Amino acid sequence: EVQLVQSGAEVKKPGESLKISCKGSGYRFTSYWIGWVRQMPGKGLEWMGIIYPGDSDTRYSPSFQGQVTISADKSISTAYLQWSSLKASDTGMYYCARKASGTYLDGFDLWGQGTMVNVSS
Amino acid sequence: QPVLTQSSSASASLGSSVKLTCTLSSGHSSYSIAWHQQQPGKAPRYLMRVEGGGSYNKGSGVPDRFSGSSSGADRYLTISNLQFEDEADYYCETWDTNTQEVFGGGTKLTVL
Repeated sequence: EVQLVQSGAEVKKPGESLKISCKGSGYRFTSYWIGWVRQMPGKGLEWMGIIYPGDSDTRYSPSFQGQVTISADKSISTAYLQWSSLKASDTGMYYCARKASGTYLDGFDLWGQGTMVNVSS
Repeated sequence: QPVLTQSSSASASLGSSVKLTCTLSSGHSSYSIAWHQQQPGKAPRYLMRVEGGGSYNKGSGVPDRFSGSSSGADRYLTISNLQFEDEADYYCETWDTNTQEVFGGGTKLTVL
């Protein structure tokens, strides 16, 4: 089965670091771009950035550049989203999603189940 | 950069049809888009890609009741024979070389 499986929900305090994961299976992980999308409570979808696991080419939305780091470990078919110092405003649901083809100039055709991140003192 | 505009809400009766619209900003009327469905409390689900010429390609398992079309800068998602499980938020998405990725604000569909 082709799927993306994300790590579980997190509860963190402001200032803490965090790394969440997205594991792909059922397809050639290195051949498809993986993106990260934020959804704050009751709001719409916001694109954060994207990575090509084959060579770790990474692009960021200007809104998230410098705020998060996207990486991938192709040996275990897993992409990551990490924060070095969380803020309360980082609270939200985070989805990984796969681009439909080998280029980032395409839509997302596969979504992970989401990882809820709750940052509160 | 492209901007996608969607109505915030729509409603239609059980068993009827509804046509949701996603409008591309000026200068981007030829762009392809994708439609995604997000049922309450669930992750988004890819529905289809709609081309500027009006053709569309659906994702695996998407019911025949869902179809796509296009006219000028507008991209449409039509759902026929509405079911209660179609009550969801619907997002359009597009992409380009400079901005990489853009989502519309989403349309909340209510089935009456």
